[in-house]
Amino acid sequence: SQKIEQNSEALNIQEGKTATLTCNYTNYSPAYLQWYRQDPGRGPVFLLLIRENEKEKRKERLKVTFDTTLKQSLFHITASQPADSATYLCALEGWQGGKLIFGQGTELSVKP
Amino acid sequence: GAGVSQTPSNKVTEKGKYVELRCDPISGHTALYWYRQSLGQGPEFLIYFQGTGAADDSGLPNDRFFAVRPEGSVSTLKIQRTERGDSAVYLCASSPLAGYEQYFGPGTRLTVT
Repeated sequence: SQKIEQNSEALNIQEGKTATLTCNYTNYSPAYLQWYRQDPGRGPVFLLLIRENEKEKRKERLKVTFDTTLKQSLFHITASQPADSATYLCALEGWQGGKLIFGQGTELSVKP
Repeated sequence: GAGVSQTPSNKVTEKGKYVELRCDPISGHTALYWYRQSLGQGPEFLIYFQGTGAADDSGLPNDRFFAVRPEGSVSTLKIQRTERGDSAVYLCASSPLAGYEQYFGPGTRLTVT
């Protein structure tokens, strides 16, 4: 069955450094991969979407890469700030569109 | 503009009771999704609607779960004969069409005692 794995341990980094989060998947060929941010007690918030034929996508301090050979996506936050502290979720979407299959999320903590 | 809203925000019910959870999507969004999330896990897909019809209900765990969207906007998730294992946060999301980014509501925290 489809499986998505994100860094299971929380990631603690110093303000100003680059945070890198990993999303690996097996038994799936997604059309799209999406990244969401979730704060405690809130619903996920969309950050970036990358298509299977795209290698990299950027938005302000965020960068996502997508390697369909390795079946892996990397999510980078440059010049990290304490306000970036949250849980980050990756999600896969198939060609037919619609349902998202989420990883378990990685908790990021940025210390001042 | 207004985002996705869900009511109630919290629901405590006894094992065996029936519950209804409501979702108001963003106006004009034709796709609506239900997920549930347990502590420390990512959201788990339940069902999605394109307009009034269920386009994919493969995530509904069993026949105690049912969802409707009769007029293509508001949706209700219905759970019969609730069990303690149904306790979770139920999230609703909407998007302009399937295949676009999804906008999530704050969720309904369901506790079955």
